[in-house]
Amino acid sequence: GQQLNQSPQSMFIQEGEDVSMNCTSSSIFNTWLWYKQDPGEGPVLLIALYKAGELTSNGRLTAQFGITRKDSFLNISASIPSDVGIYFCAGQPFTGTASKLTFGTGTRLQVTL
Amino acid sequence: DAGITQSPRHKVTETGTPVTLRCHQTENHRYMYWYRQDPGHGLRLIHYSYGVKDTDKGEVSDGYSVSRSKTEDFLLTLESATSSQTSVYFCAISEQVEWPQHFGDGTRLSIL
Repeated sequence: GQQLNQSPQSMFIQEGEDVSMNCTSSSIFNTWLWYKQDPGEGPVLLIALYKAGELTSNGRLTAQFGITRKDSFLNISASIPSDVGIYFCAGQPFTGTASKLTFGTGTRLQVTL
Repeated sequence: DAGITQSPRHKVTETGTPVTLRCHQTENHRYMYWYRQDPGHGLRLIHYSYGVKDTDKGEVSDGYSVSRSKTEDFLLTLESATSSQTSVYFCAISEQVEWPQHFGDGTRLSIL
């Protein structure tokens, strides 16, 4: 099955720095989702995007739905230690497709003091 | 917390034995999903349900069956477990098919 390409695969940054990661697909999506997963837990929804070009914020997190509908970006401003974890993107091609939610390979974020 | 409870949280069993994992939700959501998560493969859909007694296959359904006799419970069964089914299994729910899915905390299953 298809997997979305996320980059970078891992990041090691200092506390206070801004972080950017992206997700690309060969297919068009109608919905882009961003999740964060901590060790031993399930993915937690951070941001949902429903419209091409949409820019949505959730606290220090900002995500954008790419104009081409084939990519999405997540930015974290002023990172803190609790931002550590794995970030996944997910895309859904069109409505009514419960079986078609595709996940990215994940970006592992590590933050140092 | 999305009101999803998975049980057991950890299980070790032997090849050839039947295994059933349970997902219980308190949100009254119509859609429920089972995923497995493996290094290098990410999250892959096994089966999903769109209502009581209504289920369909996902990307990696071979060797798995599911049942949903009540809105709140979705069971995943490995009829005869194999070592390749060692994985972390996640249940997810969504109110509508196009709405975001919310995940439980997973079951770590080891098959020796």
